[in-house]
Amino acid sequence: DTAVSQTPKYLVTQMGNDKSIKCEQNLGHDTMYWYKQDSKKFLKIMFSYNNKELIINETVPNRFSPKSPDKAHLNLHINSLELGDSAVYFCASSQDSGGWDETQYFGPGTRLLVL
Amino acid sequence: AQSVTQLGSHVSVSEGALVLLRCNYSSSVPPYLFWYVQYPNQGLQLLLKYTTGATLVKGINGFEAEFKKSETSFHLTKPSAHMSDAAEYFCAVSKNNFNKFYFGSGTKLNVKP
Repeated sequence: DTAVSQTPKYLVTQMGNDKSIKCEQNLGHDTMYWYKQDSKKFLKIMFSYNNKELIINETVPNRFSPKSPDKAHLNLHINSLELGDSAVYFCASSQDSGGWDETQYFGPGTRLLVL
Repeated sequence: AQSVTQLGSHVSVSEGALVLLRCNYSSSVPPYLFWYVQYPNQGLQLLLKYTTGATLVKGINGFEAEFKKSETSFHLTKPSAHMSDAAEYFCAVSKNNFNKFYFGSGTKLNVKP
């Protein structure tokens, strides 16, 4: 069984469209994250949720909106997609939000290409 | 503020040779330190981490790293490279302030036969 899964794996879309990426973890973890990895492989945290509550919201355009229906899911919705949104988006989870010494478990990534 | 510097975006070694991937951090207090590996078209996997205690940390696949506070470094090593070690390696730091988790820019390891 996949611990952290993301769908879709690949997403190609036109500028201006709205799209969602789904993430699910079956590890029973309390905290989930979204990261963006750009073309230079630089990985940057976007959001963190603990038990369905937003914990971290980095400087991300408000076109990006995370949604957590329950603590096993953290979906990422992107409005009005732009060329610069093209990247690989990784979902991750960790056991406990209380400490940043926790190991994060990553999903396989969603490769988004905006044309 | 936290920052992570990985010297060398590309490192190439021969199979059987020593692997040394460098990571330096800037922090006013000792942070938590991690090394993750990313194989092509996959997510990141934890190799090892340092939180407290022994400064030499052993991880999976024969990798280890040593936390040197005086040098603010957490370099990753492996005595003998295997072809399967070819991947991208990321150093990351955090502090227990429930706030930030930073990754370095990554080092791509190439292993030559």
